Amino acid sequence: DAGVIQSPRHEVTEMGQEVTLRCKPISGHNSLFWYRQTMMRGLELLIYFNNNVPIDDSGMPEDRFSAKMPNASFSTLKIQPSEPRDSAVYFCASSEGLASNEQYFGPGTRLTVT
Amino acid sequence: GQSLEQPSEVTAVEGAIVQINCTYQTSGFYGLSWYQQHDGGAPTFLSYNALDGLEETGRFSSFLSRSDSYGYLLLQELQMKDSASYFCAVDNYGQNFVFGPGTRLSVLP
Repeated sequence: DAGVIQSPRHEVTEMGQEVTLRCKPISGHNSLFWYRQTMMRGLELLIYFNNNVPIDDSGMPEDRFSAKMPNASFSTLKIQPSEPRDSAVYFCASSEGLASNEQYFGPGTRLTVT
Repeated sequence: GQSLEQPSEVTAVEGAIVQINCTYQTSGFYGLSWYQQHDGGAPTFLSYNALDGLEETGRFSSFLSRSDSYGYLLLQELQMKDSASYFCAVDNYGQNFVFGPGTRLSVLP
């Protein structure tokens, strides 16, 4: 298996622009997670899907952030409009089961908003 | 809510044994996980404790004591490649996941 796939790997955009991050989970995994990592705030869970349904989105910072999972093999995280404070590495992870302890992380997307 | 505490940095020499502690405050959880992250890389799963006691996986072991709200990761026969950040994490009954701040381990020759 190719593992969790994320695109793009790097994104540089200007403040106010829309950013879309993409994730393909490992085939057969039914839980998908979006995380954000910064030096200041560490690794934060943004949103968590199980069987394509959002279970917990309490970590989504504000209305500028939205996430979708239209099917079992694809998810997007969208930021509109983007702000410099959104600059971070965004990780997608997947796992088997609702409360699986073993999450497989993608390589991450490094987002820079200028 | 949940909060986890870890030492920010730990330094040890090759071949030594090092213990990375994790204390937590949470109303309840399924278990305690540990992840490793090298600079510029993604977190990778190391171990999981659902029950109190020691779990061993090769050179790495992890321990949990729910009564003490405490866990640790034990790394034996340290190698240079073990230099990385280590995170503990708890899952709140599948509702959300919280990672600790991470411990940066430096292994010296």
